[in-house]
Amino acid sequence: DAGVTQSPTHLIKTRGQQVTLRCSPISGHKSVSWYQQVLGQGPQFIFQYYEKEERGRGNFPDRFSARQFPNYSSELNVNALLLGDSALYLCASSPTGNQPQHFGDGTRLSIL
Amino acid sequence: GDSVTQMEGPVTLSEEAFLTINCTYTATGYPSLFWYVQYPGEGLQLLLKATKADDKGSNKGFEATYRKETTSFHLEKGSVQVSDSAVYFCALIPSGGYNKLIFGAGTRLAVHP
Repeated sequence: DAGVTQSPTHLIKTRGQQVTLRCSPISGHKSVSWYQQVLGQGPQFIFQYYEKEERGRGNFPDRFSARQFPNYSSELNVNALLLGDSALYLCASSPTGNQPQHFGDGTRLSIL
Repeated sequence: GDSVTQMEGPVTLSEEAFLTINCTYTATGYPSLFWYVQYPGEGLQLLLKATKADDKGSNKGFEATYRKETTSFHLEKGSVQVSDSAVYFCALIPSGGYNKLIFGAGTRLAVHP
């Protein structure tokens, strides 16, 4: 069975641009979470969605937004990119909102 | 707020040595505790978990025991291999909340032949 898939794998943007990252959960998983991992640090929670509704939001500015589609895939959008947004963005899925999460390999975003 | 503290790395060991990576947490109630592993260029893989006090999680020769009295969840392995070289993250999910993982900073393990 396919794991969590994320696209693209790498992305280079410039300051002020906007970016959309995509995530397909494991088949049957209805919950998707997003994390930001800055180099050398642990992942930081950004959002959780379950059954297409936002269930939680981390301490990130309003430039970060997300949504979940009827097929449970998800998009993370970041507007007005800053140099500090350079990071590995990880998507994780779980069957419900309360079971261990399975992670994708991430999207590495570089801001120039 | 809730947090996780891990021992700083890198930890460098010879093959077949004993491994301990310390992890302590701050949280109210009874959080669920996890160890994740991240190999170079990859995402995180769940290594083991424990959901209540005195539970022992184990997988692939690794084990960790949920110690409520010391708020700890130390990772151990009796004999490491070169293939265990990776970054290890301790994490928790707060009790009574949604499925939000709070991670420590990670500990890099390097195992040499």
